[in-house]
Amino acid sequence: DAGVTQSPTHLIKTRGQQVTLRCSPISGHKSVSWYQQVLGQGPQFIFQYYEKEERGRGNFPDRFSARQFPNYSSELNVNALLLGDSALYLCASSLEGWNEQYFGPGTRLTVT
Amino acid sequence: AQSVAQPEDQVNVAEGNPLTVKCTYSVSGNPYLFWYVQYPNRGLQFLLKYITGDNLVKGSYGFEAEFNKSQTSFHLKKPSALVSDSALYFCAVRDILNYGGSQGNLIFGKGTKLSVKP
Repeated sequence: DAGVTQSPTHLIKTRGQQVTLRCSPISGHKSVSWYQQVLGQGPQFIFQYYEKEERGRGNFPDRFSARQFPNYSSELNVNALLLGDSALYLCASSLEGWNEQYFGPGTRLTVT
Repeated sequence: AQSVAQPEDQVNVAEGNPLTVKCTYSVSGNPYLFWYVQYPNRGLQFLLKYITGDNLVKGSYGFEAEFNKSQTSFHLKKPSALVSDSALYFCAVRDILNYGGSQGNLIFGKGTKLSVKP
């Protein structure tokens, strides 16, 4: 079975722009979570979706939004990019919201 | 607030020697604890978890972790280290207090870089 996939792999954006990151969960997994990993730090929780509904939100500004589609794939949107948004964005899927999470390879976002 | 701490930024071990990567936790109630490994430019790979039961948890790639309630620790161990074990290791606890919706998101430590020399 394919693992969690994310696209694109790398992305370079300019301050003030908007970005959309995509994630496809493991087949059969209904929950998707998004994390931000800044260099030298552990991942920080951004959002969790389960059955297309937001189930949790971390301490991130409203510039960050996400959604989950009927096929359980998900998008993370970030508006008005700041230099500090430069990070590795990780998507994780789990069978239900409370099982162990399996991570994708991440999208490396660089904001210049 | 729930949290995990990884007191060592880096652990250096010779190949063939036992390794320990330390983690302590602070939670309200029973902890749900996890270990993940991250190789360069890669996502996180699940190693093992403790939910309840046996204090010694066995995981992938020969790793195990010992849950110690009195010391609030969950140290990762391996009897004989390999050069290929060199990576970044993260301890995490499930955020069961976030009753706003999610009971599944994880709170991670800052990570410990493991370096295994031949």
